[in-house]
Amino acid sequence: NAGVTQTPKFRILKIGQSMTLQCTQDMNHNYMYWYRQDPGMGLKLIYYSVGAGITDKGEVPNGYNVSRSTTEDFPLRLELAAPSQTSVYFCASRSGTNVLTFGAGSRLTVL
Amino acid sequence: GQQLNQSPQSMFIQEGEDVSMNCTSSSIFNTWLWYKQDPGEGPVLLIALYKAGELTSNGRLTAQFGITRKDSFLNISASIPSDVGIYFCAGQLGGSQGNLIFGKGTKLSVKP
Repeated sequence: NAGVTQTPKFRILKIGQSMTLQCTQDMNHNYMYWYRQDPGMGLKLIYYSVGAGITDKGEVPNGYNVSRSTTEDFPLRLELAAPSQTSVYFCASRSGTNVLTFGAGSRLTVL
Repeated sequence: GQQLNQSPQSMFIQEGEDVSMNCTSSSIFNTWLWYKQDPGEGPVLLIALYKAGELTSNGRLTAQFGITRKDSFLNISASIPSDVGIYFCAGQLGGSQGNLIFGKGTKLSVKP
């Protein structure tokens, strides 16, 4: 099993550009999450999904969108990139327990 | 939003020393989790705690779920260089659909 796979690992964007961070999991987990990690700030929840077709906002959703058309995939979209969105983004998934399995992260820089 | 206070922020210790870190909150949690993050990687689960007072070990790591359900600690005994990384606590509030709240992390450096 690959677990949670995120792409790309690194990306540099110009202000105003858009992009999608991809996340896929092969564990048949219902719950999927997107977090951002800023230095010294821990992990902040952006969006989450409790199953295919269902998404909800987390603590810091502004500037982001998600979709969940399949159980496996949970892409995160940035429509108009801003410097404040420079961060490391982590996708995670879980089954019925509270234990999250994280991807390796996607480092995004907006210049 | 809800907050977890994790301390210390960073630690510089000598190989072989014991390490202790903790998380506190004004809220009551149903679950406490401890994760470790190596540089350039995602967090990996170390220990999960599900009951107040629970004390659980994983090798040289020991964690406890506080009796008040508002705190948890993680101890690492006889530290080694590969213990270097950032340690995060995470708590789950009741009825929050399993969403976790993370502490800001404790950065551990181990001097050989």
